[in-house]
Amino acid sequence: EAGVAQSPRYKIIEKRQSVAFWCNPISGHATLYWYQQILGQGPKLLIQFQNNGVVDDSQLPKDRFSAERLKGVDSTLKIQPAKLEDSAVYLCASSPENFREYFGPGTRLTVT
Amino acid sequence: QKEVEQNSGPLSVPEGAIASLNCTYSDRVSQSFFWYRQYSGKSPELIMSIYSNGDKEDGRFTAQLNKASQYVSLLIRDSQPSDSATYLCAGIVYNQGGKLIFGQGTELSVKP
Repeated sequence: EAGVAQSPRYKIIEKRQSVAFWCNPISGHATLYWYQQILGQGPKLLIQFQNNGVVDDSQLPKDRFSAERLKGVDSTLKIQPAKLEDSAVYLCASSPENFREYFGPGTRLTVT
Repeated sequence: QKEVEQNSGPLSVPEGAIASLNCTYSDRVSQSFFWYRQYSGKSPELIMSIYSNGDKEDGRFTAQLNKASQYVSLLIRDSQPSDSATYLCAGIVYNQGGKLIFGQGTELSVKP
């Protein structure tokens, strides 16, 4: 079974630029999550999708972050404009059932 | 109080010893817990879940839940250098369908 795929794996941008991350979940997993993990901290949920719909986006900074899940499969997370404090690893996870989450390899973002 | 708290460590144990990793949680967190292991530069992977009071064993790993004390622990018996990683404790907060809340993680180093 193929795992969760993410791209790019690494990204370096300057502050105020925009960036987008892509995630392809495990086939058949209805739930998709985006997490932000700052160095030395645990992952923090940004947004949770159930099929096409948003279940929880309470911790997504909506003035600069946006996310969508196309046709209930792939998802993109965008940051525009980026700030220095956005430097983190962005993890995508998918789940066949609540809370049994499988994580992708992550995208390491550096904002300079 | 943070919803899920862990000592960041590092915790250093000699090879073959028992490693004890601890986690406390607030009233907001439901009493279902997950332990994830995260190797440096890698994504988290689920190693144990525990839903009821008491102990749950899986190979060299034992998860313990004490609801009265709001305390969760993970014991690793016969620790190996390959167990060196950050261990993340996560609980569920039921808000808008429920989401995992992670502690900051405890770094474990097993010395040969």
